[in-house]
Amino acid sequence: GNSVTQMEGPVTLSEEAFLTINCTYTATGYPSLFWYVQYPGEGLQLLLKATKADDKGSNKGFEATYRKETTSFHLEKGSVQVSDSAVYFCALGTSKFYFGSGTKLNVKP
Amino acid sequence: DGGITQSPKYLFRKEGQNVTLSCEQNLNHDAMYWYRQDPGQGLRLIYYSQIVNDFQKGDIAEGYSVSREKKESFPLTVTSAQKNPTAFYLCAVSQGTLNTEAFFGQGTRLTVV
Repeated sequence: GNSVTQMEGPVTLSEEAFLTINCTYTATGYPSLFWYVQYPGEGLQLLLKATKADDKGSNKGFEATYRKETTSFHLEKGSVQVSDSAVYFCALGTSKFYFGSGTKLNVKP
Repeated sequence: DGGITQSPKYLFRKEGQNVTLSCEQNLNHDAMYWYRQDPGQGLRLIYYSQIVNDFQKGDIAEGYSVSREKKESFPLTVTSAQKNPTAFYLCAVSQGTLNTEAFFGQGTRLTVV
């Protein structure tokens, strides 16, 4: 079956620190992979996506690479800001979407 | 996303009452989804529809019902059979083809007292 596992939070970092949020998946077929971000009381916003193996999605300084050999799609950012504080969801898309449990990121000034 | 409207943003109901949450989209996308999100948890799929007049149960459909009479609308009814309905409900849409992303509404927070 299809599923997504992402690292538990919360993750607390100081401003300008390097961020990694791990995400691994199991899937049948060739899914697309996504990272979404959710701010308090709001819906999810698409952050980036990758549609096939070795694709790199990037947006707003965040990036993630679709690694089929390790079934991973880890989210990285070189220098986080306070405004990046939010909950991040890794997701897998086939005919439906499968979401990880979310990782809360707190960035301190 | 501006093309997906969920209403109302906050909803209060007494236990035992049915309540309907609205989801409207103007993106002309075929597929629509309802998810439930509980505090500190991920999203669980309630129902989804890939075409008008057709829908499928998700992982937690018990106590919920939907209809898809129009492409732009996918209302969710939370019935009195749902044992723990207080949650944040999210509607999403996608083009319905492979490799396309989902777009989300702003959510409805339902509180049953």
